[in-house]
Amino acid sequence: DSGVTQTPKHLITATGQRVTLRCSPRSGDLSVYWYQQSLDQGLQFLIQYYNGEERAKGNILERFSAQQFPDLHSELNLSSLELGDSALYFCASSASGRVENEQFFGPGTRLTVL
Amino acid sequence: GESVGLHLPTLSVQEGDNSIINCAYSNSASDYFIWYKQESGKGPQFIIDIRSNMDKRQGQRVTVLLNKTVKHLSLQIAATQPGDSAVYFCAENKTGRRALTFGSGTRLQVQP
Repeated sequence: DSGVTQTPKHLITATGQRVTLRCSPRSGDLSVYWYQQSLDQGLQFLIQYYNGEERAKGNILERFSAQQFPDLHSELNLSSLELGDSALYFCASSASGRVENEQFFGPGTRLTVL
Repeated sequence: GESVGLHLPTLSVQEGDNSIINCAYSNSASDYFIWYKQESGKGPQFIIDIRSNMDKRQGQRVTVLLNKTVKHLSLQIAATQPGDSAVYFCAENKTGRRALTFGSGTRLQVQP
């Protein structure tokens, strides 16, 4: 168990809808990263938050947004969903704001867009 | 451009044998190379990293080798066990970049 929690575990929705994925980092970690994984593809970095502030942005679509709250949990909002958004979404956490080699990943949220 | 890629999509080995998972990279400026393991239904888990100025680093039953001449990274797993069955990703970390860059993964299947 990495100590990172994600909810929900599975999410099934329709095209055009909006969903929110939630992540709680390990106790004491200030950074949260969001990744998208399609099939057996590598992890695509979406965005990083550190202590409530956006730290880095990757290949995140404009339809997607994220935030980190004062209690350090984070939410990833996906809107105007398309079939191609179906994927596993992982969050990871680390202690500092720099890009750490060891990031602690949650179990993921499997999003299916029908 | 920069890329971290894997030679083989699937590797099948017998239990007890040694496994070697390979990864090619093109960004010579990376500071660290990292291996992650992802078991079915779980998130990736850090295994080991190696600084770019090193050639070899050993962990528990794992060894990472870095050949900068041919830009090649490998993960060796000794006495492979059924619990080693997973997808293995190599990744790179370069100072100044905003994120880890992950490769596409190799699936390791351990046959009993």
